[in-house]
Amino acid sequence: AQKITQTQPGMFVQEKEAVTLDCTYDTSDPSYGLFWYKQPSSGEMIFLIYQGSYDQQNATEGRYSLNFQKARKSANLVISASQLGDSAMYFCAMRGQTSYDKVIFGPGTSLSVIP
Amino acid sequence: GAGVSQSPRYKVAKRGQDVALRCDPISGHVSLFWYQQALGQGPEFLTYFQNEAQLDKSGLPSDRFFAERPEGSVSTLKIQRTQQEDSAVYLCASSLRQRDEQFFGPGTRLTVL
Repeated sequence: AQKITQTQPGMFVQEKEAVTLDCTYDTSDPSYGLFWYKQPSSGEMIFLIYQGSYDQQNATEGRYSLNFQKARKSANLVISASQLGDSAMYFCAMRGQTSYDKVIFGPGTSLSVIP
Repeated sequence: GAGVSQSPRYKVAKRGQDVALRCDPISGHVSLFWYQQALGQGPEFLTYFQNEAQLDKSGLPSDRFFAERPEGSVSTLKIQRTQQEDSAVYLCASSLRQRDEQFFGPGTRLTVL
């Protein structure tokens, strides 16, 4: 069975500092994709970044980067130069190769950016 | 429209009532998904459509839950005889093709009294 674990229920970071949100996963699929989504208080899920299991390089999208360590089954999100608007829930998610497009989400981490 | 839309945004139902939640995916998107998100938790998969075909309904929690997408565009999630444990945010997502990035709607917050 596939599972996503996010061990940090809540995180605080000073504005302009970098922060790492942890994510570990479990799957027996040889090929899979990993996602991070942001969910502000408005409720909408916003796609941030994607990493394929066979991608050679870690994914980056602007201030977001994914620290992918396949052997350790971890896919941590790094947000550089935090902004007040980054305060939100962050969900790590995974899609395996055997389950159509079903995406499994972790429990989320609440990030608060302090001015 | 520019994105995925859902209606209503908020729904209050008395226990035992039937409800219908609507999702308008991005025009041309083949794949459509429904998720249930309980308070303080991550979204959980309910069901998946490719065009009008419901290919996976393994996440529907009971036979009180029913989803359809008869013309391959708009989808409706129906919950019969609502129970308090059905209270959650119901999220709809669509993607252009199978295995593409999913775009989410704003969700419908259902409260069952």
